Amino acid sequence: DVKVTQSSRYLVKRTGEKVFLECVQDMDHENMFWYRQDPGLGLRLIYFSYDVKMKEKGDIPEGYSVSREKKERFSLILESASTNQTSMYLCASSRGPGRGNTEAFFGQGTRLTVV
Amino acid sequence: AQSVTQPDIHITVSEGASLELRCNYSYGATPYLFWYVQSPGQGLQLLLKYFSGDTLVQGIKGFEAEFKRSQSSFNLRKPSVHWSDAAEYFCAVGSGTYKYIFGTGTRLKVLA
Repeated sequence: DVKVTQSSRYLVKRTGEKVFLECVQDMDHENMFWYRQDPGLGLRLIYFSYDVKMKEKGDIPEGYSVSREKKERFSLILESASTNQTSMYLCASSRGPGRGNTEAFFGQGTRLTVV
Repeated sequence: AQSVTQPDIHITVSEGASLELRCNYSYGATPYLFWYVQSPGQGLQLLLKYFSGDTLVQGIKGFEAEFKRSQSSFNLRKPSVHWSDAAEYFCAVGSGTYKYIFGTGTRLKVLA
């Protein structure tokens, strides 16, 4: 089975801190994603990566950055955490185009609270 | 622009009753369509997917969905709901390349 693992289930951070959310997938997927989930807003794409060291902005990239130094790992960075970044963060991965099924597989989520 | 609409924010059904969750999409080409389920505090689990072929697709946990191109719909159905089906359900469309567009979700409550 595909496994997408997020390093923390729950995090509490202070305003202004630099925060790292880590995600690892074990199925050699090309694509990796970071979403933010808020009630009534569904999932909103923050950043995605289609290859090592490649990244593209999603719909709400402001205040975030990402790093993908290895194919299996995709990190989300909050440069200076703010209270409006309190949310559920979901990491996902999928195969690249032309490699068959393209559904996304999700991690269990990280609930981040910024105080 | 691509979009996914789930018109029902909340749905309540009695255990054993049938269920239909609605999903409408806007997409220029033949879409890749998905239904995911999310239990409280968890990530999303794939229920079923449609890429091509038979427009009625079967998924896990007894769910099925029907792709209707003329109505731009991909509604999720289950003939008899169980209490454990209480969760939030998301419809999504994929472009076949990188991105996915998710609906805002439908929260299902099951009455005993």
